[in-house]
Amino acid sequence: GAVVSQHPSWVICKSGTSVKIECRSLDFQATTMFWYRQFPKQSLMLMATSNEGSKATYEQGVEKDKFLINHASLTLSTLTVTSAHPEDSSFYICSASEPAEAFFGQGTRLTVV
Amino acid sequence: GQNIDQPTEMTATEGAIVQINCTYQTSGFNGLFWYQQHAGEAPTFLSYNVLDGLEEKGRFSSFLSRSKGYSYLLLKELQMKDSASYLCAVKGSQGNLIFGKGTKLSVKP
Repeated sequence: GAVVSQHPSWVICKSGTSVKIECRSLDFQATTMFWYRQFPKQSLMLMATSNEGSKATYEQGVEKDKFLINHASLTLSTLTVTSAHPEDSSFYICSASEPAEAFFGQGTRLTVV
Repeated sequence: GQNIDQPTEMTATEGAIVQINCTYQTSGFNGLFWYQQHAGEAPTFLSYNVLDGLEEKGRFSSFLSRSKGYSYLLLKELQMKDSASYLCAVKGSQGNLIFGKGTKLSVKP
């Protein structure tokens, strides 16, 4: 099946710094990728939809200037958490869809100290 | 609005059968997925239903009734390794998945 690769798997950063998370589709072209966030013991919540060659679409309550999304090619989408704060600590996961399945990256555990 | 409901927790015995229910109300529907997720890991695909009826895949089966906005995941011959969270998700009109809060299943010996 299709593979989505996400890096890094975990990252610890200082408050105020920025962190970039990469999501690559390895054997298929993804015009659309989705970025989710999951806080402990909660479900995955859609943050934004990343569209190749155009601006991302953000869900209500998600700050587009804080969570920068770039989808410059059909195989790569990046999420940059800018000026990270401890409350941004979470599990971030990307996904790309085919009609009958959605493929997830491995997820990134972000801890802001 | 979008609403997906499933029980928060369930407990079952090794070797038994368990059914996890999911009801949904969404503005768009392009199929319903079930995923298994272990803590700190990415979800693992279990099943996909887009038409009414039962889909069987080994020890796992999933049922869908679109008119009732209802699905269930049936796990047979439970094993200890089946202890995990099970996520019900509806695929929206934009292709994104709308997730329920997940059902934490504990399998006891």
